[in-house]
Amino acid sequence: QVQLQESGPGLVKPSETLSLTCAVSGGSVSSGSHYWSWVRQPPGKGLEWIGFMYYSESTRYNPSLKSRVTISGGPSKNQFSLKLSSLTTADTAVYYCATEKVTVDPSPLWEWGQGILVTVSS
Amino acid sequence: QSMLTQPPSVSGAPGQRVTISCTGSSSNIGAGFDVHWYQQLPGTAPKVLIYGNNNRPSGVPDRFSGSKSGTSASLAITGLLAEDEADYYCQSYDNSLGARIMIFGAGTKLTVL
Repeated sequence: QVQLQESGPGLVKPSETLSLTCAVSGGSVSSGSHYWSWVRQPPGKGLEWIGFMYYSESTRYNPSLKSRVTISGGPSKNQFSLKLSSLTTADTAVYYCATEKVTVDPSPLWEWGQGILVTVSS
Repeated sequence: QSMLTQPPSVSGAPGQRVTISCTGSSSNIGAGFDVHWYQQLPGTAPKVLIYGNNNRPSGVPDRFSGSKSGTSASLAITGLLAEDEADYYCQSYDNSLGARIMIFGAGTKLTVL
């Protein structure tokens, strides 16, 4: 079973770029068996899909965030990362990494990290 | 504004049955995309409750069931227990912009009276 763990800063300043990493165990980000996703949840609000990476090369993003988001493999083996630029206070949220199995029909996000709270504030 | 509409809250007494609706459109649920349901307990990550419209993962009680028809889906919970008090989210996919993207409902808070 795949296990995920987010890491990164808990506080970032407006206009800066957020960088988060998700460490994967029990699976490989380069295997092609999963989509590697990021999802966020503002305090007291619902879930928002940010995007996914597949095979460390193919990506797809939420159109509402596409201009500010990059999801990529690394920095170390079996990790994948999220970069979100031009931050505003509206980006304050718990950020989750999660994974979806590659199947004929789209599968749910079976495994999730515990989440990391990121606060955007000066 | 979510592409999938859920009621903000539902409530029921222990032992009762409640349903949570998830209404979409022709570009998501109505296009044939599956609906998945998640349960989120306070302070924890979401957990898959129903997948592929009406399938329960192992370990999920049969008190939980899902259905889908047309552009909508529903989650039913029978025999309510205090431990069912949580937030519930439906999730599907949308292709209105040419590529399949993942979408969530805004969530429904279930209160067990």
